[in-house]
Amino acid sequence: AQTVTQSQPEMSVQEAETVTLSCTYDTSESDYYLFWYKQPPSRQMILVIRQEAYKQQNATENRFSVNFQKAAKSFSLKISDSQLGDAAMYFCAYRSYTLTGANSKLTFGKGITLSVRP
Amino acid sequence: EAQVTQNPRYLITVTGKKLTVTCSQNMNHEYMSWYRQDPGLGLRQIYYSMNVEVTDKGDVPEGYKVSRKEKRNFPLILESPSPNQTSLYFCASNQHDSNQPQHFGDGTRLSIL
Repeated sequence: AQTVTQSQPEMSVQEAETVTLSCTYDTSESDYYLFWYKQPPSRQMILVIRQEAYKQQNATENRFSVNFQKAAKSFSLKISDSQLGDAAMYFCAYRSYTLTGANSKLTFGKGITLSVRP
Repeated sequence: EAQVTQNPRYLITVTGKKLTVTCSQNMNHEYMSWYRQDPGLGLRQIYYSMNVEVTDKGDVPEGYKVSRKEKRNFPLILESPSPNQTSLYFCASNQHDSNQPQHFGDGTRLSIL
């Protein structure tokens, strides 16, 4: 079974600065997907960024980028130019590659609470 | 607008009183799933469904039931709720192809007294 580990329960960043959230995972599969989700106080689960394991290029979405190290099974999220609206809980998640006929569930880490100081 | 709708958003009830949390999606997705979120544990899958009349257990199915009589609906049933089922619940859906992201509902906060 796959596991996802987020070892830092909390982090803090100064507004406009850069912060990196860590995530490691364990799997014996070669094809899979990795995700970062943001959960603000409204409790919604918002997809921040997605990485396909077969792609060597790190995914980027505006101020959000990842450092994907497949051999090390590491998937960190970098937030540049942090804004007050980035304050939330962030979850790292893993999903196996499947086309049909299998449970495409997400396996989540425990989450990290990010606070942004004005 | 593409969405997953859960009801109710909040519910406080008592031990043993049967309850149902409804989930409906308007995207014609085959796959639907229920998760519960608990502090320090992240989200864990309760049950999932790959299509109408096809359901199976996730990681924490004890005390829950589901049904999938229609493609758009996937209710979560607690027949005899207990305090350890106090949690935040999410319904999610996606196309079978795991390249497609899961769409989440807005969550249901259940408190079992």
